[in-house]
Amino acid sequence: QAVVTQEPSLTVSPGGTFTLTCGSSTGPVTSGHYPYWFQQKPGQAPRTLIDDTSNKQSWTPARFSGSLLGGKAALTVSGAQPEDEAEYYCMLSYSGAWVFGGGTKVTVL
Amino acid sequence: EVQLVESGGGLVQPGGSLRLSCVASGNDFSTYSMNWVRQAPGKGLEWVSYISRRSTTIYYADSVRGRFTISRDNAKNSLYLQMNSLGAEETAVYYCARAGFDYWGQGTLVTVSS
Repeated sequence: QAVVTQEPSLTVSPGGTFTLTCGSSTGPVTSGHYPYWFQQKPGQAPRTLIDDTSNKQSWTPARFSGSLLGGKAALTVSGAQPEDEAEYYCMLSYSGAWVFGGGTKVTVL
Repeated sequence: EVQLVESGGGLVQPGGSLRLSCVASGNDFSTYSMNWVRQAPGKGLEWVSYISRRSTTIYYADSVRGRFTISRDNAKNSLYLQMNSLGAEETAVYYCARAGFDYWGQGTLVTVSS
């Protein structure tokens, strides 16, 4: 089974911009992996931010965007807000099965 | 808006079995596929299984294949996960999520312990 990798943690200042990445042990991440990005806060169920690389949900703030960058999927947040402090997970598709990354803990400080 | 409510979690001994349920609101349950995802305490998310609208396509994670069975009853707006031969490492909150992962339940806790 493939392994999906994410940065373990990141600290950003309020108003700052950050990018999280999502890599695959099988090679470059492509649109065919249909990358998803989720946000999870303590005690809550995950919430989808981005699907299919860059498609935002109706509730996804405009400051969040998804892309492919250097062979990885990427989530960029432009103008971080205190409420963006959370765990972020990416997920990739492998022929019908899904694999989550280990998550990135984002601290806004 | 779709609401998903899981149930069936609880304490089970190692090697035991448990059946989880997920009930969906609305009249269109039969029009979408479903997934189970789990999360061990303090750990990350792990996709468990997928079932298509009419149960014709089913996928499992390698870690559960052969022990877990996903099923659904569209007449009852319900999704199920039959879990057998449970190990302590499968202690987790189990979530159901609509295909597209746009709607999630709040999860049900399964504790595998003697």
